[in-house]
Amino acid sequence: DAGITQSPRHKVTETGTPVTLRCHQTENHRYMYWYRQDPGHGLRLIHYSYGVKDTDKGEVSDGYSVSRSKTEDFLLTLESATSSQTSVYFCAIRQNLYTGELFFGEGSRLTVL
Amino acid sequence: AQSVTQLDSQVPVFEEAPVELRCNYSSSVSVYLFWYVQYPNQGLQLLLKYLSGSTLVKGINGFEAEFNKSQTSFHLRKPSVHISDTAEYFCAVSEGNQAGTALIFGKGTTLSVSS
Repeated sequence: DAGITQSPRHKVTETGTPVTLRCHQTENHRYMYWYRQDPGHGLRLIHYSYGVKDTDKGEVSDGYSVSRSKTEDFLLTLESATSSQTSVYFCAIRQNLYTGELFFGEGSRLTVL
Repeated sequence: AQSVTQLDSQVPVFEEAPVELRCNYSSSVSVYLFWYVQYPNQGLQLLLKYLSGSTLVKGINGFEAEFNKSQTSFHLRKPSVHISDTAEYFCAVSEGNQAGTALIFGKGTTLSVSS
């Protein structure tokens, strides 16, 4: 199985502060994704990457930016966190190029006060 | 555009009873279908998937799902549930290997199994 490490796993911050979540993979997968999970909304795609320095927006990208300077790392940044960004964030890798099957990290719980 | 509808947000059942979690999707092309499970305070793990072939697919922990193309459904079933099956279940659809295509998820169904 692929290895994905998300950090930090838990973070509490204040409105207006910048926050960066990191996703690290160990198996050189090309596609990486950031989703957020909220009650009643399921998982919604924020941004994804299809290679180093190649990224694109998902369904709920406003207020978020991403970067991928190395194959193994995909960073999600909240430039100025808001309470509406309190959520659980999941990183995933595309484990099968043809079917779209994803493998998920353990999640990062972010609370914005 | 793709979409996934999970028809029940919560399903309470007693231990050893059968359960069905319903999922409908919309897509104009052939799809791949998935069920993921999320146990409390954990990430999502793949339960089962339909790619092609037999419409009845079996997954981990005794779960199975049936793909019905005419009804655009992919319902998840288990003949006898355990307390340990208490979790949130997500249905997801993919239209395949188009560049950047991500899985589209339903809103989830919380399965609560009590004794």
